[in-house]
Amino acid sequence: DVKVTQSSRYLVKRTGEKVFLECVQDMDHENMFWYRQDPGLGLRLIYFSYDVKMKEKGDIPEGYSVSREKKERFSLILESASTNQTSMYLCASSSRLAGSYNEQFFGPGTRLTVL
Amino acid sequence: AQSVSQHNHHVILSEAASLELGCNYSYGGTVNLFWYVQYPGQHLQLLLKYFSGDPLVKGIKGFEAEFIKSKFSFNLRKPSVQWSDTAEYFCAVLLPGRDDKIIFGKGTRLHILP
Repeated sequence: DVKVTQSSRYLVKRTGEKVFLECVQDMDHENMFWYRQDPGLGLRLIYFSYDVKMKEKGDIPEGYSVSREKKERFSLILESASTNQTSMYLCASSSRLAGSYNEQFFGPGTRLTVL
Repeated sequence: AQSVSQHNHHVILSEAASLELGCNYSYGGTVNLFWYVQYPGQHLQLLLKYFSGDPLVKGIKGFEAEFIKSKFSFNLRKPSVQWSDTAEYFCAVLLPGRDDKIIFGKGTRLHILP
């Protein structure tokens, strides 16, 4: 079974703090993604990576950065957390192999509250 | 810009009722289509997918979806819902040549009354 794990299920931070969200997948997937999920807005892509040390901006990258030093790990960084970054953050991974159909596998999510 | 529209934001049904959730996308070429489901407190998981072939796709838990190319639609259906189908449902589209990015709709919250 594909497994995507996220470092925390719940996180509470203060405005201005630096926040690290970690994601690890165990299926040797090339692609990894960070989304935020907000009620009525669905999933919005923040950043994605299709290889180690590679990253691409998604639809809402402002206020976020990412790091992918190892294939299995993809980190989302909030340099200076703000209250409008209070949200559910979802990590996903997918394979580029033919026949994988690019199905994305999701982690359980991290509910971040910024006070 | 390419987009995915889910027409119903919140649907309430009684058990045994039939379900159809609408999904339309705005892209004229070949697409790959997905429905994902998120049960309360659980991971987002794949319900079904369409890539080619038979436009009627069957997924888990008795769900099916029909790809109608002329209508740019991929509606999700289930003939008789159960209380355990209470969840949020997301339609998604993978566009070719877009670095494997999937575009998600805004989701439909389905609430089944026991």
